[in-house]
Amino acid sequence: QVQLVESGGGVVQPGGSLRLSCTVSGSIFSSFGMHWVRQTPGNGLEWVAFIRYDGNNASYADSVKGRFTISRDNSKNTLYLQMNSLRTEDTAVYYCARRVALDYWGQGTLVTVSS
Amino acid sequence: SYVLTQTPSVSVAPGKTARITCGGNNIGSKSVQWYQQKPGQAPMLVVFYDSDRPSGIPERFSGSKSGNTATLTISRVEAGDEADYYCQVWDSDSDHYVFGTGTKVTVL
Repeated sequence: QVQLVESGGGVVQPGGSLRLSCTVSGSIFSSFGMHWVRQTPGNGLEWVAFIRYDGNNASYADSVKGRFTISRDNSKNTLYLQMNSLRTEDTAVYYCARRVALDYWGQGTLVTVSS
Repeated sequence: SYVLTQTPSVSVAPGKTARITCGGNNIGSKSVQWYQQKPGQAPMLVVFYDSDRPSGIPERFSGSKSGNTATLTISRVEAGDEADYYCQVWDSDSDHYVFGTGTKVTVL
């Protein structure tokens, strides 16, 4: 079955950087676009970024554009989110999800930005 | 930026029908997805492309659209349907994916 597993979350100081990974199994990873979505504790879902199946095009939420970079390595079935210039408001659980319609999700990884 | 508005909460008795609405400008021209999220869990897709269901999702879950509103209908509600529900679309003008504000469904 399709599985998505996020990793790389943790505690980082404001202004710091972190790279999240999402490893996909049970699916032809290179065939599908992928998303990152985040959720602050007790709040709703916020879309962060999307990358096409071939990695040739990406889009970002205004709140992260210029600070976050989504990328993928189809040879490793892995999606990445490089997060720079982190702010306290970036604290959230970060999920990766498959396909335009977000049909499969990982369990999430918690990112805490705090001094 | 594009906004999707949902009623914050809906309460329904077991066996009855819950209707969750999602309002957005010109939503009729967009493909709507619906997600269910239970406490401590990741969201799960329950309806895609307005009214299609992924395999394994009961027929009790159905989606529809009329005018500027999309609706997720849960028939014969069960205790296990208690969750937060989010609508979602892709906004072609901004190339952004947008989630609704979320609706908490409480089963009485």
